[in-house]
Amino acid sequence: DTAVSQTPKYLVTQMGNDKSIKCEQNLGHDTMYWYKQDSKKFLKIMFSYNNKELIINETVPNRFSPKSPDKAHLNLHINSLELGDSAVYFCASSQWDPGQDNNYGYTFGSGTRLTVV
Amino acid sequence: RKEVEQDPGPFNVPEGATVAFNCTYSNSASQSFFWYRQDCRKEPKLLMSVYSSGNEDGRFTAQLNRASQYISLLIRDSKLSDSATYLCVVNLDYGQNFVFGPGTRLSVLP
Repeated sequence: DTAVSQTPKYLVTQMGNDKSIKCEQNLGHDTMYWYKQDSKKFLKIMFSYNNKELIINETVPNRFSPKSPDKAHLNLHINSLELGDSAVYFCASSQWDPGQDNNYGYTFGSGTRLTVV
Repeated sequence: RKEVEQDPGPFNVPEGATVAFNCTYSNSASQSFFWYRQDCRKEPKLLMSVYSSGNEDGRFTAQLNRASQYISLLIRDSKLSDSATYLCVVNLDYGQNFVFGPGTRLSVLP
């Protein structure tokens, strides 16, 4: 059973199109994230949701809109795709207790490789 | 100063070597620290958490130095399968905003 699954795995699309990436986790975690890894391999957080509520929204163009229908799902919709949006997008989840020394960090999905042409 | 910085790589070492990576972080309020490894074209996977007292998992040892704000990862008896990019991860504050370092690439050579 895949813990964090995201679809599609590959996405090739033309500039200007709108696309969505879906993510689901079956770990019972409270928090889900979207990360972007660009061609230089830097992983940068985009959004974080805790129990369906947005808690982190980094400086991301408003063409990117996350949606969390329940705590097991976090989808990412991208409008008017641009060449610079080409990257690998990773979904992740975590269950994290402040002050505890045994937090286990993130579990990542296998990534969605988005290519905008 | 960047939030999380790592040794620039790549590190090319022979099998059996001992290799150490360092990572520094800027926020003294950071509470949670991790090492992840990422294989080429794969997702990052948790290697180990870094505890205040330091911790060891087989050939891997992680240390935390709060005073100097750095963490380290030591790999003993390197295997070919250890070849990957190692990512240092730090939370910025008491929340769940984790920042990834740029990664240090390790190649273990036969």
